[in-house]
Amino acid sequence: NAGVTQTPKFQVLKTGQSMTLQCAQDMNHNSMYWYRQDPGMGLRLIYYSASEGTTDKGEVPNGYNVSRLNKREFSLRLESAAPSQTSVYFCASSGVGGYEKLFFGSGTQLSVL
Amino acid sequence: AQTVTQSQPEMSVQEAETVTLSCTYDTSESDYYLFWYKQPPSRQMILVIRQEAYKQQNATENRFSVNFQKAAKSFSLKISDSQLGDAAMYFCAYRRRYGGSQGNLIFGKGTKLSVKP
Repeated sequence: NAGVTQTPKFQVLKTGQSMTLQCAQDMNHNSMYWYRQDPGMGLRLIYYSASEGTTDKGEVPNGYNVSRLNKREFSLRLESAAPSQTSVYFCASSGVGGYEKLFFGSGTQLSVL
Repeated sequence: AQTVTQSQPEMSVQEAETVTLSCTYDTSESDYYLFWYKQPPSRQMILVIRQEAYKQQNATENRFSVNFQKAAKSFSLKISDSQLGDAAMYFCAYRRRYGGSQGNLIFGKGTKLSVKP
């Protein structure tokens, strides 16, 4: 019953450093998403992958890249971290056709100093 | 573009009483889904209730129910017999049913609910 697993749970970076957030789901879902959550802003979509082999930009993609490694895994990369990327990051997945509810991971608290 | 608005940044309710959280949305679509998610201090996103726009009947889940007014584009959440464990951030969210990026949720900014003992 793992669902959606994100790693790491916490991370502190210095400005300019790079890192990759990992996400994996074991529900055989086609669609996967990366959101960021900032105080007073709700959750905003960074990138999504409707199916294996495809990725598309969401509302706030600047400064990020993604890779849909296979059906299970969807990673988010920060090439050169900036303080504005301090946020909580959530990975999510949904079933065939994307019509079902989203299942969320437990989030990654990222601080960029 | 679709938008979701939650006009109450914070709400408070006495334990065992009823509270209603407001949500309005803007869309030109006729077929879509609406959701309420709960986020406790643990940060986990928990689906509370879901409404399909083509269904006129309001969704209910135990103590949670919605008032879905499609023409007014309003989707409020009522929590009855409030419990201390209901204290959390609540997010209203919209999702189109068809077309590109149909899986993407659009969230409101959230309402922080406090429950007083």
